[in-house]
Amino acid sequence: AQSVTQLGSHVSVSEGALVLLRCNYSSSVPPYLFWYVQYPNQGLQLLLKYTTGATLVKGINGFEAEFKKSETSFHLTKPSAHMSDAAEYFCAVSEPYNQGGKLIFGQGTELSVKP
Amino acid sequence: NAGVTQTPKFRILKIGQSMTLQCTQDMNHNYMYWYRQDPGMGLKLIYYSVGAGITDKGEVPNGYNVSRSTTEDFPLRLELAAPSQTSVYFCASNPPGPMGSGEQYFGPGTRLTVT
Repeated sequence: AQSVTQLGSHVSVSEGALVLLRCNYSSSVPPYLFWYVQYPNQGLQLLLKYTTGATLVKGINGFEAEFKKSETSFHLTKPSAHMSDAAEYFCAVSEPYNQGGKLIFGQGTELSVKP
Repeated sequence: NAGVTQTPKFRILKIGQSMTLQCTQDMNHNYMYWYRQDPGMGLKLIYYSVGAGITDKGEVPNGYNVSRSTTEDFPLRLELAAPSQTSVYFCASNPPGPMGSGEQYFGPGTRLTVT
């Protein structure tokens, strides 16, 4: 069965500092990987996704993630944190479409940004 | 397009009451999903549907029922509400076709409290 592990339920950074949110997955098939962001009292918004091709994926708001098959990782980074980045971030892996295309989520990482 | 819409936004239920959470999407997506989100637990799949008339259980289906009579609508039914069902519920949909990217589109959520 597929699974996703996010290391660190809370991450705090200073404004302007590097953001690094860690995600490791297990999958028996080539994965589709996603990062979603959730702002307080809102739904989930897609940040970026990896399906095939280039392993460095750029998303919205300056975020990017690199798919590393050998490490089964898909860590999310942003060079310089902004106060508006404070939110909860979820990593997810998708099951194959012919198995329902279900998303398996990590437990989430809450990002705090200090002024 | 309105995307994925959910009603109500908030609801307080007494133990033993029943209710239906409504979900509608106007994107002609075949696949639809119900998740619940609990603090520190990420999102867990309750039920999903791959098309009208076809539904299947997810990871945490106990205490819930679903139906899918049309492509657009995927209501979630709670028959005998219990405090353990206090949660935030998200509906999502997935574009059709096996060549899709696996991305799911989320509604704004329903915050349910059972007391």
